[in-house]
Formats: sequence, C-alpha cells, structure tokens
Amino acid sequence: EIVMTQSPATLSVSPGERATLSCRASQSVSSNLAWYQQKPGQAPRLLIYGASTRATGIPARFSGSGSGTEFTLTISSLQSEDFAVYYCQQYNNWPSLTFGGGTKVEIK
Amino acid sequence: QVQLQESGPGLVKPSETLSLTCAVSGYSISSGYYWGWIRQPPGKGLEWIGSIYHSGNTYYNPSLKSRVTISVDTSKNQFSLKLSSVTAADTAVYYCARWAQLVGSNYFDYWGQGTLVTVSS
Repeated sequence: EIVMTQSPATLSVSPGERATLSCRASQSVSSNLAWYQQKPGQAPRLLIYGASTRATGIPARFSGSGSGTEFTLTISSLQSEDFAVYYCQQYNNWPSLTFGGGTKVEIK
Repeated sequence: QVQLQESGPGLVKPSETLSLTCAVSGYSISSGYYWGWIRQPPGKGLEWIGSIYHSGNTYYNPSLKSRVTISVDTSKNQFSLKLSSVTAADTAVYYCARWAQLVGSNYFDYWGQGTLVTVSS
C-alpha cells in the first residue's frame, strides 16, 4: 500500500498570506495525485487533480505542483473561506486509493 | 446536477453488519464512472473503503476486504455498502462518491453529504 504523509498537521496563516502544504508518497505515484478541501460538517471538495490541474470552478490562487513522491499545494493569498482541512490522495495504484492524513489551515 | 444521498441506520451494534445505500440522481449509474465509499472517523482523516463499476466489478481496500461487500442496483440507480462484524473502530461518517476514471482525469468529483454511523451496544 502506498502511504501518503502530509505536513505540517496544522498550519497557522494570516489572511492574505501564502500557505504551502506538503504531501509525500512512500513510493512514486507519478503525477497521479489529487487535492481536496474539507470544511467542518461538509464533504470533501476536489481542488486539484493530475498534481497540478485545477478542477472546474477552483480559483487561480490554488496551485499544485510536484511529481514522483513530493507534492505541494500552494494557496497564494488566503481568503477567509480557505481555512479548512486539505487532503492529498494518490490514484497511481488504481483501483487502490489512499489519502494523506490532512493538513488543517487555521487563522493565525 | 449529479447528487448522491446516503441512507441507513445511524446506530449499529458491535459484531453486526453495517448497511448503507447511496441513491444517485442526475446521472445514470449505467452510463459509466465508478462509484465509491469513503469513511472518516470523528476528528480523523479519510479512508477509501472500496469502489464498484456499473458492471458490478468491485475493488476493496485490502485492510477491509474480508468484511466489505459493495453492490449496485442499476434499476434503482443506487449502490450499497455492507460492512460485517463491526466494532467501535468502524464508527465514522460514511460518504459515497463518484470516481472519474478517465484518461487524464481521475478524481472523486461528486460526494454525498455523509452519514454518521455509530457502533455501540
């Protein structure tokens, strides 16, 4: 099983600042990685797939990068609605899918 | 607009079988895509349980495979989850979701709102 490790567990950021979230795979997943955002009491929402392609309707302040085992989700200028938990997910091992443990982005 | 809605008992006794159904509207399961179950214990992260194709082909998380059965009913446009021999560790919010397995486009794009299942006597 491919293990996905996210860091940090919690990121404290002020509104308007940049947030950088990391995701590491235990083995190469190529670019077969997605990012999801989850707010309290809600289902996850797709942000990024293919490591760097924004999903429909996702603002340009969200960007993804990386390949192989190291990935980054960057939020260029945090808005109030961006404070949430973010999960990475690999699908290189399809049909087996695994999620990272999540990074909570909180207001500093 | 594709919508998914989970339903089933919110409380299950230890050692019994958890059963949930996901009703899909706005899209015919028979038209394609894969359909999956994901769970989230309170305060914790997401865990993929398994997926099914409209043909009935199933794929399960190896850690749960011995206890999981996912089935599809295309006539009712819904799919179901059964998890046997549950313990308190199976207490979680259970989500159903649609998985896009297309060239260059692979992701869960539509999710149900989730349903909390508590395992307790």
